[in-house]
Amino acid sequence: LAKTTQPISMDSYEGQEVNITCSHNNIATNDYITWYQQFPSQGPRFIIQGYKTKVTNEVASLFIPADRKSSTLSLPRVSLSDTAVYYCLADSGNTPLVFGKGTRLSVIA
Amino acid sequence: DAGVIQSPRHEVTEMGQEVTLRCKPISGHDYLFWYRQTMMRGLELLIYFNNNVPIDDSGMPEDRFSAKMPNASFSTLKIQPSEPRDSAVYFCASGLGSYRTEAFFGQGTRLTVV
Repeated sequence: LAKTTQPISMDSYEGQEVNITCSHNNIATNDYITWYQQFPSQGPRFIIQGYKTKVTNEVASLFIPADRKSSTLSLPRVSLSDTAVYYCLADSGNTPLVFGKGTRLSVIA
Repeated sequence: DAGVIQSPRHEVTEMGQEVTLRCKPISGHDYLFWYRQTMMRGLELLIYFNNNVPIDDSGMPEDRFSAKMPNASFSTLKIQPSEPRDSAVYFCASGLGSYRTEAFFGQGTRLTVV
């Protein structure tokens, strides 16, 4: 199971784009990169998943370079409601999800 | 579908008492996971089931913890006897087949053992 490393916390002002980078130097060939979001007093929620290049949905974009040793979650124009903990996981889908400590994003008005 | 349903949402109990947490997974999902979250240790996987069969319980901290899944729509996590260090938020999640990486979490049960 690939180990991921991400910043413990980040601050941002409303309306800005936020990029959270995750390192996964030992990622395996069949691992996908998956990001979860957790609001206070709620369970984690899946937001995006990718294997390489770029993936975009209504919530975020995920950029994965060719070497796949890192990935960047991009949140466009954040609002106060985006304040949450964001988890990066590298997983093959053959084992249950193992969560790290995540990145605590605080959005400031 | 109402999503993964956990009960109770909050539980306060005295040390030594038995505690039972309940989970109803999303209909049709074949994987069920129990996680525990604390400030110190983050989210820890305790046990998971596939088609109602326990696959890996290596995350269960002690023999005081047990989990069952008698059918596809119900699972329990029991702690007997409970201790103050068991205080945490317990999450149940379910997933489907090869899309297991997209696990759907319940709202959690906040357990306080005094």
